[in-house]
Amino acid sequence: GAVVSQHPSWVICKSGTSVKIECRSLDFQATTMFWYRQFPKQSLMLMATSNEGSKATYEQGVEKDKFLINHASLTLSTLTVTSAHPEDSSFYICSASKGTGGDEQYFGPGTRLTVT
Amino acid sequence: AQSVAQPEDQVNVAEGNPLTVKCTYSVSGNPYLFWYVQYPNRGLQFLLKYITGDNLVKGSYGFEAEFNKSQTSFHLKKPSALVSDSALYFCAVRDIWSGGGADGLTFGKGTHLIIQP
Repeated sequence: GAVVSQHPSWVICKSGTSVKIECRSLDFQATTMFWYRQFPKQSLMLMATSNEGSKATYEQGVEKDKFLINHASLTLSTLTVTSAHPEDSSFYICSASKGTGGDEQYFGPGTRLTVT
Repeated sequence: AQSVAQPEDQVNVAEGNPLTVKCTYSVSGNPYLFWYVQYPNRGLQFLLKYITGDNLVKGSYGFEAEFNKSQTSFHLKKPSALVSDSALYFCAVRDIWSGGGADGLTFGKGTHLIIQP
């Protein structure tokens, strides 16, 4: 149990376009979902936290108008990278938690975004 | 601010030998601590966590970790390594007082564990 999926697994887009990444909890309801970014050979960096039905909380330095997060239901969160640029190319990973605090997060397989 | 340090980029262990992957942390208050493993082309998988209680926590696949408050460490251990344990291991922390609904984790940079047959 506790499976999280992401779609697409990889995407290539042209500079200036927008791309949407979906994160779904397949067999549980996620109170909270998280979006991370992982650069090559580096750790995961938290971008934002989202709770169903409310606005996402963004980490310092993350542009909320560029990285739009929607958490429409307890099983779905989306990240839209707007007006993408080559520097947005990265590995984006979502996770979901059944509760808060000490509950572990369950991670999706990640989405590789390449902006040309 | 919270932070996690994994001082070793890579750890090499012979199959059958005990292994240790090191992790130290820094938080303002009390920590929630986690270990995750990442296999190639797979999402991070939860191994174990420390929330409160017994300092020695046991997790998946025979792994365990010991919380040491005085040394602010949470090293991952396994008594006998398997080749299939070869993967990238991440230590992560959350300050229980971070509040604001921000339950996101701060990760270490990861340690490549290589088990040699």
